[in-house]
Amino acid sequence: AQSVAQPEDQVNVAEGNPLTVKCTYSVSGNPYLFWYVQYPNRGLQFLLKYITGDNLVKGSYGFEAEFNKSQTSFHLKKPSALVSDSALYFCAVRDIPNAGGTSYGKLTFGQGTILTVHP
Amino acid sequence: GAVVSQHPSWVICKSGTSVKIECRSLDFQATTMFWYRQFPKQSLMLMATSNEGSKATYEQGVEKDKFLINHASLTLSTLTVTSAHPEDSSFYICSARSGLIIGNTIYFGEGSWLTVV
Repeated sequence: AQSVAQPEDQVNVAEGNPLTVKCTYSVSGNPYLFWYVQYPNRGLQFLLKYITGDNLVKGSYGFEAEFNKSQTSFHLKKPSALVSDSALYFCAVRDIPNAGGTSYGKLTFGQGTILTVHP
Repeated sequence: GAVVSQHPSWVICKSGTSVKIECRSLDFQATTMFWYRQFPKQSLMLMATSNEGSKATYEQGVEKDKFLINHASLTLSTLTVTSAHPEDSSFYICSARSGLIIGNTIYFGEGSWLTVV
């Protein structure tokens, strides 16, 4: 079974500093990895994904993530944090479709990391 | 990016009544839609997966007779919470995916707050 772990419940950084939100995964095949952000009382917004290709993936709002197969990690990064980046961040891994295709695209989420950027 | 719309955003209902939440893909055809439940400060729990024109696949522990899911068209899925109880109060989020290419992004709705009183 696939799983995702976000080891930090909270991450605090000062505005202008680089930020990292950690994610490790466990899958039986090739990983398909995603990052989503959730603002209070809102749905999830897609940030970026890794399917194949370059290990460094660039996404929305200046975020990027580095896929590291040997460490089974997919950490989210941003060179310079903004106060408006404060939100709940979820890492997710997508399953491999079964023969019937009924579970195609099911995401397994990490527990989430609250990012707080201080002015 | 693709847009997924949920309605209503907020709903309050009396215990014992049923409430329906709609999930629509506005600018793409969603062959598969997913329904999640989220408790405060917790992660998303997948409730069920629905493919257009077929019965939903429920996750273990989710009562299919209580949480009725219908995916009647490629742009609409509905979740009906039947005989709602206060413990059903939660944030419900749908997501949708188009096509069969495995890399397709899954887009989420804005969520629906359900409060059962």
